[in-house]
Amino acid sequence: RKEVEQDPGPFNVPEGATVAFNCTYSNSASQSFFWYRQDCRKEPKLLMSVYSSGNEDGRFTAQLNRASQYISLLIRDSKLSDSATYLCVVTQRGYNKLIFGAGTRLAVHP
Amino acid sequence: GAVVSQHPSRVICKSGTSVKIECRSLDFQATTMFWYRQFPKKSLMLMATSNEGSKATYEQGVEKDKFLINHASLTLSTLTVTSAHPEDSSFYICSASGTSGRGYEQYFGPGTRLTVT
Repeated sequence: RKEVEQDPGPFNVPEGATVAFNCTYSNSASQSFFWYRQDCRKEPKLLMSVYSSGNEDGRFTAQLNRASQYISLLIRDSKLSDSATYLCVVTQRGYNKLIFGAGTRLAVHP
Repeated sequence: GAVVSQHPSRVICKSGTSVKIECRSLDFQATTMFWYRQFPKKSLMLMATSNEGSKATYEQGVEKDKFLINHASLTLSTLTVTSAHPEDSSFYICSASGTSGRGYEQYFGPGTRLTVT
């Protein structure tokens, strides 16, 4: 079983739509959680950290459910520029290495 | 955020040759650098972690004699792919973390696309 699993998509949505991505992780010792965004043939860029209390940054909301080992990302009012691959990332307690999911592709169309 | 550069951005080499990729932290001291590779439509896979002045720690399945990592200073790490083969063709990305206090925060370089013919 992969350490971090995501639905690869693609999710094809119209502008203005709300879309949600899910991610599960297998190691209960995972400590920190992030969503990264990766554009085609580019490096990943940190979108937001994910906290148990949930956090929001503009149109983006991230949630963490430790009991279910589940992370989500909600994007409201999708823009064309949101088209990218969204990577779910976890770290484990005591380690500073990032473990990446394979990513979920989002395509926002006019 | 902090800036990390990689050079070259693209390289094409012949099978059997060696290729060196540089990763530099431009505006902070990188105590730890990470090297990843990514195949098309796949996730980033950590290859190795290097701390300045010490030997790199390689992930399981990564040949340390094939992928030579040097982290000689707090701003530079190099990855050398020795005796490259077509199956080494991939997107290689480095990241760096420093002493900002947020230990898990990594800053990524723009990546190097290696094609071995």
